Amino acid sequence: DAGVTQSPTHLIKTRGQQVTLRCSPKSGHDTVSWYQQALGQGPQFIFQYYEEEERQRGNFPDRFSGHQFPNYSSELNVNALLLGDSALYLCASRRRDYGYTFGSGTRLTVV
Amino acid sequence: AQSVTQPDIHITVSEGASLELRCNYSYGATPYLFWYVQSPGQGLQLLLKYFSGDTLVQGIKGFEAEFKRSQSSFNLRKPSVHWSDAAEYFCAVGGTDSSYKLIFGSGTRLLVRP
Repeated sequence: DAGVTQSPTHLIKTRGQQVTLRCSPKSGHDTVSWYQQALGQGPQFIFQYYEEEERQRGNFPDRFSGHQFPNYSSELNVNALLLGDSALYLCASRRRDYGYTFGSGTRLTVV
Repeated sequence: AQSVTQPDIHITVSEGASLELRCNYSYGATPYLFWYVQSPGQGLQLLLKYFSGDTLVQGIKGFEAEFKRSQSSFNLRKPSVHWSDAAEYFCAVGGTDSSYKLIFGSGTRLLVRP
């Protein structure tokens, strides 16, 4: 049973560019959340999607946006990249038991 | 404000020794509590979770944690550490509503001496 799948695994972008990260949830999971983990820190909640709608959002600017598709997969988009956006971006999915399953993440480097 | 504090940035133990990682939380109501482990360059793996009931929770890989409401703590323990346990450990708290988010501590890095 595949867990949470994220792509790409690594990405290098230039300041000001835009990036799209992708996530396929674990089979049977319908809720997807995104987290940003800066080096040496714990993950920070970005937002959560359920039934193709953003249900909750953390303290992140509007440059961060997302989408959930009918098959429950999700995308995270970041516009006008800043050096400070360099981080590991984690996708997590769950169903009803509140036990989130995390993917291995996408390492984004902004230069 | 909701927060999680892991007071130990690094902990070093000898292989075979016991381990306790500390976690304190601040939350307005009874939260859901989690411990995750992260190996370098990897995602997070759930070790155990507490929702309600017995305050001593058993997890994978021989880990356990005890919820102490009076101390707002959820410390992680293991009686005998293996070299493969070396990793970063994160405590997290989540709300009990259906759209909860996880709030993580800053993590504790565990080093294991041979």
